[in-house]
Amino acid sequence: SAVISQKPSRDICQRGTSLTIQCQVDSQVTMMFWYRQQPGQSLTLIATANQGSEATYESGFVIDKFPISRPNLTFSTLTVSNMSPEDSSIYLCSVAPHSQETQYFGPGTRLLVL
Amino acid sequence: DAKTTQPPSMDCAEGRAANLPCNHSTISGNEYVYWYRQIHSQGPQYIIHGLKNNETNEMASLIITEDRKSSTLILPHATLRDTAVYYCIVRVKTSYDKVIFGPGTSLSVIP
Repeated sequence: SAVISQKPSRDICQRGTSLTIQCQVDSQVTMMFWYRQQPGQSLTLIATANQGSEATYESGFVIDKFPISRPNLTFSTLTVSNMSPEDSSIYLCSVAPHSQETQYFGPGTRLLVL
Repeated sequence: DAKTTQPPSMDCAEGRAANLPCNHSTISGNEYVYWYRQIHSQGPQYIIHGLKNNETNEMASLIITEDRKSSTLILPHATLRDTAVYYCIVRVKTSYDKVIFGPGTSLSVIP
């Protein structure tokens, strides 16, 4: 398995501002994934981040709104830009370790936008 | 879109077996069935996966029908801590294949 940590664990932000969420893994991983979970809903994939290349975004998500960095094999960041109350969600980082095909999830970042 | 259908909710008495069904009639030959669960306010937790044979681990058993169009996750002795949303997912067994979540089944274990 993989141990995943996220920072911050929660935050309250004002509309129009941006927040960068960090995801740290205890081992090198090829693929990292970012999900959003809106209140009372299932998880929705935002993008897939492969080290050394630009992230691949799912339909309905764009790089200007959710820029992602993947500087190395153990770290990634997701920025939620120009936030509005509709961005209030839990944001989760997930990884697929090299030698395993199972995807593991971080604890999530709970974001409230006022 | 998710490739699976699950009942939205189920109840189970504490100590009894919880049997959670999942339909995946369009599953491809190289796709596995994975189960995850999400306990309130936590990230999803991997439970088990299988291709066509039944699988068992310390958490649960997975029964896949012979035609692979449906499966059942079995929690043999449900406890209150098993109350969670359970997600059935089909995907290719590679680190490059993303996990797409459907709405899942909300399991309530009742004392």
